[in-house]
Amino acid sequence: EVELVESGGGLVQPGGSLRLSCAASGFTFSNYWMSWVRQAPGKGLEWVANIKEDASEKYYVDSVEGRFTISRDNAENSLYLQMNSLRGEDTAVYYCARKLSYSWSLGYWGQGILVTVSS
Amino acid sequence: IVLTQSPGTLSLSPGERATLSCRASQSVSNNYLAWYRQKPGQAPRLLIYDTSTRATGIPDRFSGSGSGTDFTLTISRLEPEDFAVYYCQQYGISLWTFGQGTKVEIK
Repeated sequence: EVELVESGGGLVQPGGSLRLSCAASGFTFSNYWMSWVRQAPGKGLEWVANIKEDASEKYYVDSVEGRFTISRDNAENSLYLQMNSLRGEDTAVYYCARKLSYSWSLGYWGQGILVTVSS
Repeated sequence: IVLTQSPGTLSLSPGERATLSCRASQSVSNNYLAWYRQKPGQAPRLLIYDTSTRATGIPDRFSGSGSGTDFTLTISRLEPEDFAVYYCQQYGISLWTFGQGTKVEIK
């Protein structure tokens, strides 16, 4: 069974940094693109970033480009999101997600982790 | 690509038919569009992918249609668990986007 478990969230001051982790199990992690999606309180879903199986390609939403870095460790079955220069508008629940085997749609999601940016 | 969902809120009764719309600012490549349902406090769940294919375990009361810039999610008979928020998402280009959501509430 596919399982995705996020960790590393919490309260951080504006301008600060935080690193999210996603522990993956139940599938061959190195065979899949992985994604981060976020949801601000009471708002809709926003795609944040994608990373290819071998990390050779990465894509970001414009609002985090240059501040956030997606990475992975295939030996540890882990996905990461390094978030720097955090702003209030980055406050959200962050979800780790995996595509289906046969479609780019996101068929598997973690439970989400809350990041709060506030002084 | 900007996705605009309508209506913002749909007020219906159990057993009624729901029709949700998702309009793209430009054509969605390969009709790579998905629909998700999100209940309060839960992660989204994939319902439909590639415009019209139901995900594993999704009942046949859910159907998707459309092409190019106009897409529709239809729920033929609303069940209690269907009162939730629905999002469309395009993955036709490298930079993905979601619509702003349609809330289906009990009338």
